[in-house]
Amino acid sequence: NAGVTQTPKFQVLKTGQSMTLQCAQDMNHNSMYWYRQDPGMGLRLIYYSASEGTTDKGEVPNGYNVSRLNKREFSLRLESAAPSQTSVYFCASKSSGGAWETQYFGPGTRLLVL
Amino acid sequence: GQQVMQIPQYQHVQEGEDFTTYCNSSTTLSNIQWYKQRPGGHPVFLIQLVKSGEVKKQKRLTFQFGEAKKNSSLHITATQTTDVGTYFCAGPGSNTGKLIFGQGTTLQVKP
Repeated sequence: NAGVTQTPKFQVLKTGQSMTLQCAQDMNHNSMYWYRQDPGMGLRLIYYSASEGTTDKGEVPNGYNVSRLNKREFSLRLESAAPSQTSVYFCASKSSGGAWETQYFGPGTRLLVL
Repeated sequence: GQQVMQIPQYQHVQEGEDFTTYCNSSTTLSNIQWYKQRPGGHPVFLIQLVKSGEVKKQKRLTFQFGEAKKNSSLHITATQTTDVGTYFCAGPGSNTGKLIFGQGTTLQVKP
């Protein structure tokens, strides 16, 4: 039982390049989330998927797209990376959309855009 | 929009000193959650508070939910080097599928 896994762990991109961050969970959770973490800014929600087949924008969606591939997998795509997207990206999941449930986070992807 | 604010942003203490971080929401919360992130790690759930005025303890950590359910605090008694990390509070957004995180308080403990 691996929980939430993310790939890659580290990535360096040049401005304008594209990439996809992968996330998978094996806890049979319905809801999945993508956050970015920058110093002093806490965790900011990029996109989330309350259930398979649905996605919604979070606080900072510009420059990103997501795909809920199936119940297990939720990917985040940067179409044309910018230096402002240098950050640590965390994927998280929880059982459902209920307010009472805790989120389980993946180990993170550290992205540097030059 | 709904905001969750945390203070202080950073705190340096000597090992053995106490530490407190405060969390304030712009709206009433149905519950509040606390997470800890060790340096280089990912956030890990610590506890959830639900009732007005609720106090919960985990060893040297004491969590409190305000009477109005708009604020919360985490107090650590006699800090240890293992307490180092960033502590986040989080409350459910207006869309209950989302959690709104505070900016976090980063605790450094000098041995």
